[in-house]
Amino acid sequence: QQPVQSPQAVILREGEDAVINCSSSKALYSVHWYRQKHGEAPVFLMILLKGGEQKGHEKISASFNEKKQQSSLYLTASQLSYSGTYFCGTERGGSGGSNYKLTFGKGTLLTVNP
Amino acid sequence: DTEVTQTPKHLVMGMTNKKSLKCEQHMGHRAMYWYKQKAKKPPELMFVYSYEKLSINESVPSRFSPECPNSSLLNLHLHALQPEDSALYLCASSQGEVYEQYFGPGTRLTVT
Repeated sequence: QQPVQSPQAVILREGEDAVINCSSSKALYSVHWYRQKHGEAPVFLMILLKGGEQKGHEKISASFNEKKQQSSLYLTASQLSYSGTYFCGTERGGSGGSNYKLTFGKGTLLTVNP
Repeated sequence: DTEVTQTPKHLVMGMTNKKSLKCEQHMGHRAMYWYKQKAKKPPELMFVYSYEKLSINESVPSRFSPECPNSSLLNLHLHALQPEDSALYLCASSQGEVYEQYFGPGTRLTVT
């Protein structure tokens, strides 16, 4: 089942903050965050696991609310290089599916202007 | 080295042609993936290989045939494709379950 991302698009000025949300109606084992620039491959940002473990880049922060099956990606003091489409990918694992199977949300287009 | 390479970068093929896409990684990853991505859409999982065995086939039409000759290589054989199969085909790899996936730059496929 495809997770729901919001907002669909956001425009920022350099230095501003943004939050991108990802939610699922099914129990999740993990949430992944990727950024894809136009014409390029998706690049890994963060994994959040059931139980609280996180793996990712130091300058990116995110949260995972297991009770609500929601994750949020926090982009602070945005830079021009943050522009791109952000995808969350969810894994259900266990009886709900394989931990190899990532289902991506529709994406959030982030534009950072000077 | 965190690079996944894919060849060719671009491919144009007719509906009666047979072609192959290639993917390679040298990170020692045990899982490899094929995704299909249409413009302005998210990647859609097609196949997963784990330890060189096909572990997930997302009900992909048989005109797409994956192959994993060894732990570093992944191929996608194409035959009798339809114009709607035109898309960006992405390969990815990971250490295993619940690890970050590293994506290759993709092959832009056009079926005429």
